[in-house]
Amino acid sequence: SQKIEQNSEALNIQEGKTATLTCNYTNYSPAYLQWYRQDPGRGPVFLLLIRENEKEKRKERLKVTFDTTLKQSLFHITASQPADSATYLCGGVRGSGNTGKLIFGQGTTLQVKP
Amino acid sequence: EAEVAQSPRYKITEKSQAVAFWCDPISGHATLYWYRQILGQGPELLVQFQDESVVDDSQLPKDRFSAERLKGVDSTLKIQPAELGDSAMYLCASSLVSSGANVLTFGAGSRLTVL
Repeated sequence: SQKIEQNSEALNIQEGKTATLTCNYTNYSPAYLQWYRQDPGRGPVFLLLIRENEKEKRKERLKVTFDTTLKQSLFHITASQPADSATYLCGGVRGSGNTGKLIFGQGTTLQVKP
Repeated sequence: EAEVAQSPRYKITEKSQAVAFWCDPISGHATLYWYRQILGQGPELLVQFQDESVVDDSQLPKDRFSAERLKGVDSTLKIQPAELGDSAMYLCASSLVSSGANVLTFGAGSRLTVL
């Protein structure tokens, strides 16, 4: 079946380091991938979108890559801060346009320690 | 900044009871989604609307769940009867296709506990 998979183990890093989260997709080729941040008890908030023909996208301290050969996206947070602690969700689209359906991985929880 | 409104924020009910959730998307967003998120898991799409039409409801347990978006604006998700396994966060989202991509804006969610 078509899947988005993220490392379900929590990632613990020290403040100031770079956090790297992984998203793998199987059995399909999404036209784009999206990353969302989710805080406990809240809805996800959109962060970045990267299309299959883009290798890298940046926004402030965030960087996302899309490797169609490895079927993988990496999400980086540089100079991490305790306020970056949250669950990060990767979503891949199935279909296109108005009927495109976004399927999510299980999310990776990031804990940044001061 | 425009928001997706959901109510209630929290609902506790007993199994076999009926429960309903309401969602008001961002004005002008034609696509509306209902996701279910079990604690510790990612959101699972239950139903997707384009205006008032259902685009995808393949994962909606139709024996007990129903969803409608009668005038293509706000939407209701109903569960009848509720079961213990329905305890989860129910997330509504809306989107506008821009440059061929749907970027979703989520509401704060409705947390359901079934006792």
